[in-house]
Amino acid sequence: DTEVTQTPKHLVMGMTNKKSLKCEQHMGHRAMYWYKQKAKKPPELMFVYSYEKLSINESVPSRFSPECPNSSLLNLHLHALQPEDSALYLCASSQDLASGQTDTQYFGPGTRLTVL
Amino acid sequence: AQKITQTQPGMFVQEKEAVTLDCTYDTSDPSYGLFWYKQPSSGEMIFLIYQGSYDQQNATEGRYSLNFQKARKSANLVISASQLGDSAMYFCAMREGRGANNLFFGTGTRLTVIP
Repeated sequence: DTEVTQTPKHLVMGMTNKKSLKCEQHMGHRAMYWYKQKAKKPPELMFVYSYEKLSINESVPSRFSPECPNSSLLNLHLHALQPEDSALYLCASSQDLASGQTDTQYFGPGTRLTVL
Repeated sequence: AQKITQTQPGMFVQEKEAVTLDCTYDTSDPSYGLFWYKQPSSGEMIFLIYQGSYDQQNATEGRYSLNFQKARKSANLVISASQLGDSAMYFCAMREGRGANNLFFGTGTRLTVIP
């Protein structure tokens, strides 16, 4: 089973709203990721959690706030977003690479976010 | 310098024919992994195939094979017997080094399968 689930599938929000994106995996993976993908572009890494600790923050604005409540769940809290933040937000998970083994990231279906 | 280069923005292939999608990479690290993902219009990134830098043989997964030429730093994806459902965007990606969590993606190739 290589399933990563994301909710909601679509989200429309105003610039003053607060919303959250949710990601879940039950593969026993210990690394989880948030990516942002604009139309016709490759995904851009935002955050990486390894063993429930934030290990990479790619200089993402503070209006995006990640949270990893446990090893299966990853949230992305959104507040005071701008229209240019409209994009597809992808979550992924992988076995952590601490052991140096082959690691494949499995992606969820994404959340299409529109900021009005 | 770009870590991953995909020089074909768009490709067309006749149904049931084979097609090669190009990917070149740039790294000085001897340990790396190369991945191909498929992204249909629905948005999900689907993992297709993996090649490790120390793997002696080219990776294969069903109709997908990876033509790994280490000296040329290329990792082309070959799709055999193309199907209409293969129409999608294809991304080549690289994980550089051991213990690295981030993937470097190419700009993608949009493949269209013609009936």
